[in-house]
Amino acid sequence: QSALTQPRSVSGSPGQSLTISCAGTSSDVSNYNFVSWYQHHPGKAPKVILYDVNKRPSGVPDRFSGSKSGNTASLTISGLQAEDEADYYCCSSAGSSTWVFGGGTKLTVL
Amino acid sequence: QLVQSGAEVKKAGESLNISCKGSGYSFRSYWIAWVRQKPGKGPEWMGLIYPDDADTRYSPSFQGQVTISADKSINTAYLEWSSLKASDSATYYCARRSYGDRNWFDSWGQGTLVTVSS
Repeated sequence: QSALTQPRSVSGSPGQSLTISCAGTSSDVSNYNFVSWYQHHPGKAPKVILYDVNKRPSGVPDRFSGSKSGNTASLTISGLQAEDEADYYCCSSAGSSTWVFGGGTKLTVL
Repeated sequence: QLVQSGAEVKKAGESLNISCKGSGYSFRSYWIAWVRQKPGKGPEWMGLIYPDDADTRYSPSFQGQVTISADKSINTAYLEWSSLKASDSATYYCARRSYGDRNWFDSWGQGTLVTVSS
């Protein structure tokens, strides 16, 4: 299982929208609608912000949205806020209770 | 809530056991996963355990390298090494698989930093 491919870094100004991609293979992303996204502020516990491609857990703002096309999933953050500055990781089921994570994307709010 | 044991500094060849204690929910009824993260790298899923019956699954990359166990009587899961290597240096997270065996992790521990010197 190879890691999913994410851009190493993205940046945007407050109020802007940006998208983080997560490329996988036919063994994971394209074969299952079980992509989740995690926000990680260094030194804190990671937090799930999307699951099953585009579902938000209770308490996660609707500024966070997800989609998938073929073997690539995407996280879009609209109305960027300073508190969104963090590392973001995608994760996909690879079947049979196995998972694969992305390499992570560092989001900088300018 | 998942609370992990504190940072460890070990020498190569030593054994180690780190823990993850769950509270506020039925610990035995949710899978607990372990995830490794090396500095500057993405997380790697290592394996998971169902505390109620100790059913355990391992990533092929970690099978035989670590042992995952759980003691449901004290709501604690463990990750164990019998002989550490310098390459095991990383932060290790435990994470709870969401209810109904869903394919996401809804609660994470704060991480345990393991440093192994050669």
